[in-house]
Amino acid sequence: AQKVTQAQTEISVVEKEDVTLDCVYETRDTTYYLFWYKQPPSGELVFLIRRNSFDEQNEISGRYSWNFQKSTSSFNFTITASQVVDSAVYFCALSEAGGGADGLTFGKGTHLIIQP
Amino acid sequence: DAGVIQSPRHEVTEMGQEVTLRCKPISGHNSLFWYRQTMMRGLELLIYFNNNVPIDDSGMPEDRFSAKMPNASFSTLKIQPSEPRDSAVYFCASSSLRLADTQYFGPGTRLTVL
Repeated sequence: AQKVTQAQTEISVVEKEDVTLDCVYETRDTTYYLFWYKQPPSGELVFLIRRNSFDEQNEISGRYSWNFQKSTSSFNFTITASQVVDSAVYFCALSEAGGGADGLTFGKGTHLIIQP
Repeated sequence: DAGVIQSPRHEVTEMGQEVTLRCKPISGHNSLFWYRQTMMRGLELLIYFNNNVPIDDSGMPEDRFSAKMPNASFSTLKIQPSEPRDSAVYFCASSSLRLADTQYFGPGTRLTVL
């Protein structure tokens, strides 16, 4: 069975600090897809990134970066120079058949608090 | 383009009443998913449809829950009779059937059963 673990329940940092959110996954499939979603205080779920199991290249998008390591089954998310607007709950998710054909298994989420 | 639309956004009802949640997926998407979010259990998949056909309903908690997708642009999730433990935020998401396509979520329906 697939499983996603986000061990950090809550992280609090001061604005402009860098912060890394951890995600560890379990799956028996060789083909799978990993996702990160953001849930701001307003409650909606906002897609951030998806990565397939064959692409271990790290990705950077502005202040956001993602580190995918199959050897440790991890897909960590780093925010550089954090801002108050980054305060949200962040979810890591896994799909074994691709998000378009199967449901997502979510981690419990990490509540990120950015203090001014 | 319009995103996933859910209605109502908030629902307060009394135990024993029937509740119907509605979802309109993004036009052109042919996969639709229903999730439930609670503090205790987090985000969990209830059921999903491909091309309007239910594929996996193993996440539906019990027979009081049912879901339908009569056409490509509309789905309902019904709870009858409702119980206080059904109180949660219910999300609908849609995607295309292409491998690795992203699921886009609606704003959710916050259900409170008194």
